[in-house]
Amino acid sequence: QQQVRQSPQSLTVWEGETAILNCSYEDSTFDYFPWYWQFPRESPALLIAIRPVSNKKEDGRFTIFFNKREKKLSLHITDSQPGDSATYFCAASEAGGYKVVFGSGTRLLVSP
Amino acid sequence: GALVYQYPRRTICKSGTSMRMECQAVGFQATSVAWYRQSPQKTFELIALSTVNSAIKYEQNFTQEKFPISHPNLSFSSMTVLNAYLEDRGLYLCGARDGTGKVFFGKGTRLTVV
Repeated sequence: QQQVRQSPQSLTVWEGETAILNCSYEDSTFDYFPWYWQFPRESPALLIAIRPVSNKKEDGRFTIFFNKREKKLSLHITDSQPGDSATYFCAASEAGGYKVVFGSGTRLLVSP
Repeated sequence: GALVYQYPRRTICKSGTSMRMECQAVGFQATSVAWYRQSPQKTFELIALSTVNSAIKYEQNFTQEKFPISHPNLSFSSMTVLNAYLEDRGLYLCGARDGTGKVFFGKGTRLTVV
């Protein structure tokens, strides 16, 4: 059973456009949702994260929109740059829990 | 700041041999340490979770006999891949969680089996 789902599997946008990456989850006890990005041959790095007390978290060009009722969240990357090309992983962890569950990732390509 | 160091960054071992990797939390006390594996073209699979004062819990498809873990204190953990074969290759990540719930990942140990 896949607890965290991501779509699309891959996404291509032009430089300057907004990329939208989607994520949904199963477990209502999840209370922390980090997004990681991973460049080829590198380990993942924390990009931005949100907790359900908020429905939006913004950090520069990166914004998470969170819908607790529908158990969905999305990562918006505005003014996409070629350097944003990477695989993005949505993850979740539960309140008081210790493990992080990862989605299968979205491979983003930003074309110049 | 909080950092997690993993060693070695890359390693190559012969099929059927074993290799040990280490994880060190710096700047914080890790209340739990999780080991993950990212196989080629796949997402991150949780191997096991080690929590202070609790037994190490292995996920389905992973066993202590194959991936023994040592977690002697709040800042250090090691895991060994015993009798490594081709299907064990990949990036092994250590994630250490602090008291606030944030998880910090190391840069990983990339295992190649030849």
